[in-house]
Amino acid sequence: ETGVTQSPTHLIKTRGQQVTLRCSSQSGHNTVSWYQQALGQGPQFIFQYYREEENGRGNFPPRFSGLQFPNYSSELNVNALELDDSALYLCASSRYDSTDTQYFGPGTRLTVL
Amino acid sequence: GENVEQHPSTLSVQEGDSAVIKCTYSDSASNYFPWYKQELGKRPQLIIDIRSNVGEKKDQRIAVTLNKTAKHFSLHITETQPEDSAVYFCAASYYGKLTFGQGTILTVHP
Repeated sequence: ETGVTQSPTHLIKTRGQQVTLRCSSQSGHNTVSWYQQALGQGPQFIFQYYREEENGRGNFPPRFSGLQFPNYSSELNVNALELDDSALYLCASSRYDSTDTQYFGPGTRLTVL
Repeated sequence: GENVEQHPSTLSVQEGDSAVIKCTYSDSASNYFPWYKQELGKRPQLIIDIRSNVGEKKDQRIAVTLNKTAKHFSLHITETQPEDSAVYFCAASYYGKLTFGQGTILTVHP
């Protein structure tokens, strides 16, 4: 098991609401990436944070936003939730010198009703 | 952007047989190719990876091959065991952005 943790484990929201998901990176890792995994699909890259700044973004609208803190932990915020946002949200951490070798957390299962 | 195609979508083998999963990628700038195993309800687990300057890499029963010219890479599992049953994802990376394939459901029958 990796040292990447995520909270909460599960979350149920209604359409239009806002949600914040949290991720703590593995010790020694300073880069965090977020992915959305719909049922039966591979994870899709949302964005990556390095040194508290966004360092690359996938094809997701601006209502998906994030933060990284000085301790390298990170948050994913989603505004104006839509039904299609229902998915498993995964964060992955990596080292500064090998940002593509990523280790995943257990994920947060978000259900939007 | 990058596009990764993975085949087959399902693979059923008998215990002890070999299993091969193939992926193709579109962006020649991609330079890192990891494979993840995801059991039901669990996190994707990195099982092996290969960089673009290497053609093959082995780790016990698992091997990965890369053909940069053809933009193909493959996962080979030998002497499969029931605990190898899971969903396997390939991915291609350029500067830390992983693009995943659609996944292969591998079932190993005892």
